[in-house]
Amino acid sequence: GAGVSQSPSNKVTEKGKDVELRCDPISGHTALYWYRQSLGQGLEFLIYFQGNSAPDKSGLPSDRFSAERTGGSVSTLTIQRTQQEDSAVYLCASSEPGLAYEQYFGPGTRLTVT
Amino acid sequence: DQQVKQNSPSLSVQEGRISILNCDYTNSMFDYFLWYKKYPAEGPTFLISISSIKDKNEDGRFTVFLNKSAKHLSLHIVPSQPGDSAVYFCAASPYGGATNKLIFGTGTLLAVQP
Repeated sequence: GAGVSQSPSNKVTEKGKDVELRCDPISGHTALYWYRQSLGQGLEFLIYFQGNSAPDKSGLPSDRFSAERTGGSVSTLTIQRTQQEDSAVYLCASSEPGLAYEQYFGPGTRLTVT
Repeated sequence: DQQVKQNSPSLSVQEGRISILNCDYTNSMFDYFLWYKKYPAEGPTFLISISSIKDKNEDGRFTVFLNKSAKHLSLHIVPSQPGDSAVYFCAASPYGGATNKLIFGTGTLLAVQP
């Protein structure tokens, strides 16, 4: 079956611009996560959605970052007024009900802020 | 503060030999540990996991060992194959965490030489 998909695969933007990154989780997966990986770093948790519950936004690094999940499926991560330190690979993952530890990742969006 | 540490950024082994990847953690409240494998330009893929109530879990060529007293886990791959060449991430989940967010190490690049 189809895995987690993300778009775009690459995004180059100028400092100060807003960007939107999209994630399509695996059908039937109720949990959706956003992580990012900066150069030389591990994956850093950003935000988590589970069904209709309020999202866990504890990992968002600043109020320039926001995310939404429409209809319990597709999610969009928005970064406003991008900064060079936002350059990273942004990864989305989803998991089945009851198997939240085993997360399935998309290929990521490589964001470069110039 | 890095709660999950992979101190070896890279490891090279000969095909057919054993690969041992190590991971240390600082938070005794972690209750579930996972290993993910990542190829270039792809998202991480789940490999194997272990609950904190166990000290060993085996799946084919892959075995994970957990030493709670030392706050250390390791992944053994035997025999190693060239297709195992990838970045391996250790991840942990906090006990009682409401979101099952994973805390990742920085990864170890494994190169299996034919």
